[in-house]
Amino acid sequence: ETGVTQTPRHLVMGMTNKKSLKCEQHLGHNAMYWYKQSAKKPLELMFVYSLEERVENNSVPSRFSPECPNSSHLFLHLHTLQPEDSALYLCASSPSDRGHLNTEAFFGQGTRLTVV
Amino acid sequence: AQKITQTQPGMFVQEKEAVTLDCTYDTSDPSYGLFWYKQPSSGEMIFLIYQGSYDQQNATEGRYSLNFQKARKSANLVISASQLGDSAMYFCAMREARNYGQNFVFGPGTRLSVLP
Repeated sequence: ETGVTQTPRHLVMGMTNKKSLKCEQHLGHNAMYWYKQSAKKPLELMFVYSLEERVENNSVPSRFSPECPNSSHLFLHLHTLQPEDSALYLCASSPSDRGHLNTEAFFGQGTRLTVV
Repeated sequence: AQKITQTQPGMFVQEKEAVTLDCTYDTSDPSYGLFWYKQPSSGEMIFLIYQGSYDQQNATEGRYSLNFQKARKSANLVISASQLGDSAMYFCAMREARNYGQNFVFGPGTRLSVLP
């Protein structure tokens, strides 16, 4: 139990579908992250939320839309995805300030997404 | 520019032997943290060990130790007495004090296979 829970664990969706990934943490962290992990690429940081405000958006296509309604929850809304978007999507959380540089990011178990 | 470099896409080690996984990093921030994670085939990211930029001694955690050479900007992971369960992907990551330490940047990873 890492303290970060992602649902669903597996998702198969068509290119015209709309779905959402959910991430929840009750570790008291104020930063939450979405990462994408494809088979042949390194872990890619997609979005960072700190104190419920988006502070990083690494040129992610608009078909991915994040939402952070409170410090414990993070969503990734998906629509009109492409087959190349198939990947493992990992959520993570951490304390977000210079005094916690020594604190690791805690990861969820990921959602394995397949776009057909 | 790549901030974290792991030059070994794959490594093999005999069970019970030691192995070193390489990591070099690039930063101009004097304050940063370095992390190693293990990712088994199940996909979860497991935190292994941390090294701070101001730490005078190399970090150790059980069978894991970090060979930290600050001037060379390298933070190699040493796994002693390898076990079959150590077979996994290993990622080096960095967190910088700028941006309030919000961003964790990961290297491309090294796949370690432990042979019986």
